[in-house]
Amino acid sequence: DGGITQSPKYLFRKEGQNVTLSCEQNLNHDAMYWYRQDPGQGLRLIYYSQIVNDFQKGDIAEGYSVSREKKESFPLTVTSAQKNPTAFYLCASSIRQLRHNQPQHFGDGTRLSIL
Amino acid sequence: KNQVEQSPQSLIILEGKNCTLQCNYTVSPFSNLRWYKQDTGRGPVSLTIMTFSENTKSNGRYTATLDADTKQSSLHITASQLSDSASYICVVSVDNAGNMLTFGGGTRLMVKP
Repeated sequence: DGGITQSPKYLFRKEGQNVTLSCEQNLNHDAMYWYRQDPGQGLRLIYYSQIVNDFQKGDIAEGYSVSREKKESFPLTVTSAQKNPTAFYLCASSIRQLRHNQPQHFGDGTRLSIL
Repeated sequence: KNQVEQSPQSLIILEGKNCTLQCNYTVSPFSNLRWYKQDTGRGPVSLTIMTFSENTKSNGRYTATLDADTKQSSLHITASQLSDSASYICVVSVDNAGNMLTFGGGTRLMVKP
């Protein structure tokens, strides 16, 4: 079945450590996104990519980095500069830019906590 | 500032009953409005997408309405089932060159037997 796979499901980060969250899609979608979800708040955009080898900062990009070397993969690195990383991270993809009214398809998230 | 406000924050209903969730937005320029269902510990799943010209859209027992003049939307759930227990998220898309979506904080629905 086509879909988006995020791994791991749960991740723990130590002080000063960088961690990488994986996101893979087999939907042949051009656009991919990373969101952060905190309790009681709406999803906030971290980074997005509309095409391979190109990505743009979202509203809360500080302390995060991404790469888009392959169409199907969009890993997110949470660096030690992100002082409050505990959250639920969601990856999404869509056929093309959202202005064309295309739905986003989401993965099942990675829950990141600090040790 | 673009904002999406949802009410109520949480709701408990009995199985078989109907309910309506509200969404007010101050997003401009408006492109479309989406409703998502998010089960606990899972990613959101799209229920409906409505553009400016659409007043209502249904997906099974879910019916979304849109009043672009008052900038309000509602999601009506008919004959609720235990599996409807989830968070429902209203999302508004800004009509610009980017990929700007503004997410509401969600309404947490619990359906009890």
